[in-house]
Amino acid sequence: QITLRESGPTLVKPTQTLTLTCTFSGFSLSTSGVGVGWIRQPPGQGLEWLAVIYWNDKNRYSPSLKSRLTLTKDTSKNQAIFTMTDMDPVDTATYYCARVVTSTGNWFDPWGQGTLVTVSS
Amino acid sequence: SYELTQPPSVSVSPGQTASITCSGDKLGNIYASWYQQRPGQSPVLVIYQDNRRPSGIPERFSGSNSGNTATLTISGTQTWDEADYYCQAWDSMTAVFGGGTKLTVL
Repeated sequence: QITLRESGPTLVKPTQTLTLTCTFSGFSLSTSGVGVGWIRQPPGQGLEWLAVIYWNDKNRYSPSLKSRLTLTKDTSKNQAIFTMTDMDPVDTATYYCARVVTSTGNWFDPWGQGTLVTVSS
Repeated sequence: SYELTQPPSVSVSPGQTASITCSGDKLGNIYASWYQQRPGQSPVLVIYQDNRRPSGIPERFSGSNSGNTATLTISGTQTWDEADYYCQAWDSMTAVFGGGTKLTVL
C-alpha cells in the first residue's frame, strides 16, 4: 500500500519561508520512473500544480513560482521536502504531495491527506 | 503557458450519463488524467492515459481524448459520484490542471 503524508507548520507569517515534508511509504524515490509532486488548493478554489522532484533529481517547477520554490529529497528517510520563500497571504492553501508515476503521460497517484497552511501576521 | 478549460458545473440525474469536458490546444496530442475530489477529501485519480482506469475505480468511469477536447464520462451516475472533477495534462514537463467541474447529481 502506498501512502503519503504532509507535515509542517499550519501558520506562517508574511515574508517567512514555508518548509513542508512529505513522508511516504510503499515506494522509493530512488526507483527509476518515480517522482513526488506538490499541488496546492486555496480555500474554495481549484488545484494548482507547484513542482515535482524525480528519482534522478530532475526537478520541475511551476514557471510562475519557480523563483520561490526548492525541492529536495532524503531517500534514506523516504521523504520529499518542499520549500517556498517569501510567503504571502495569497499562498494560504491546502498543500498536497502525491506520487508521480512516469510513463507515457505522467499522473499523480495517490495523494496525501493535505495540510492547510495559513499565511497571516 | 498551457491552459485547460472545464465547465464550472454539470448536472445529471441519478442513473443517467454525465459528460465533463476539458479543452486545451491540441490536447489530443498529449495524455490527460482526471481526478475526483469529494468535499473535504484529497483528490483521487479516476482516469489516466486518456482512458485507463486505476484499480478500484468503477467501470462506469471512462475517458476519451481527441482534437482539443478530453472527456470524462460517468455512465449510470450514482449520488456518491457528486464531487469536483479536475482534468490534468503535462506540457513541456510542467503539469497543468483544469479549473474543475462541480458535478451535481439530482
